[in-house]
Amino acid sequence: EIVMTQSPATLSVSPGERASLSCRASQSVSSNLAWYQQKPGQAPRLLIYGASTRATGIPARFSGSGSGTEFTLTFSYLQSEDFAVYYCQQYNNWPYTFGQGTKLEIK
Amino acid sequence: EVQLVESGGGLVQPGGSLRLSCAASGFIFSNYWMSWVRQTPGKGLEWVANIKQDGSEEYYVDSVKGRFTISRDNAKNSLYLQMNGLRAEDTAVYYCATASRDFWGQGTLVTVSS
Repeated sequence: EIVMTQSPATLSVSPGERASLSCRASQSVSSNLAWYQQKPGQAPRLLIYGASTRATGIPARFSGSGSGTEFTLTFSYLQSEDFAVYYCQQYNNWPYTFGQGTKLEIK
Repeated sequence: EVQLVESGGGLVQPGGSLRLSCAASGFIFSNYWMSWVRQTPGKGLEWVANIKQDGSEEYYVDSVKGRFTISRDNAKNSLYLQMNGLRAEDTAVYYCATASRDFWGQGTLVTVSS
């Protein structure tokens, strides 16, 4: 099973600032990597798939990069509605696996 | 509008069974691989099972193999998860989702406890 490790566990940032979250895979997942946003009481929402392709309706301030084992989700500037928990997930190998999440909180 | 609506969750004793259902609308259900994903406070998100468009292929995470069965009825636009031999560690919110990850239901809570 591929282990996905996200860092940091919590990131405190002010609205309007830029931020980056990291995700590392225990073995190569090629570009078969997705990012999700989850708010309390809601299902995960797909942001990015294929490591860098924004899902339908996702604003351009969200961007994904990386391939192989190292991936990054970048926010060009944070808006109040972006403060949530973010998960990465590999779908290169079964079973698909998630990282443990990064909580993005308001500083 | 795409909708996935889960039902069937609840409280069940260890060793018991439960059948989850997911009603799909707003997209061509029979064109999509479908999945069940669960979430617990302790273990986080876990992708539980996938099923092919015509039901001819199924995949399960090791922790549920032999106990859970995913199935679908394309005529009814419905996805199911039959859960047998339930354990405390199966306690979670269960989400129905497209395997392509773009559509998710709101989740149904399963609690396994005596």
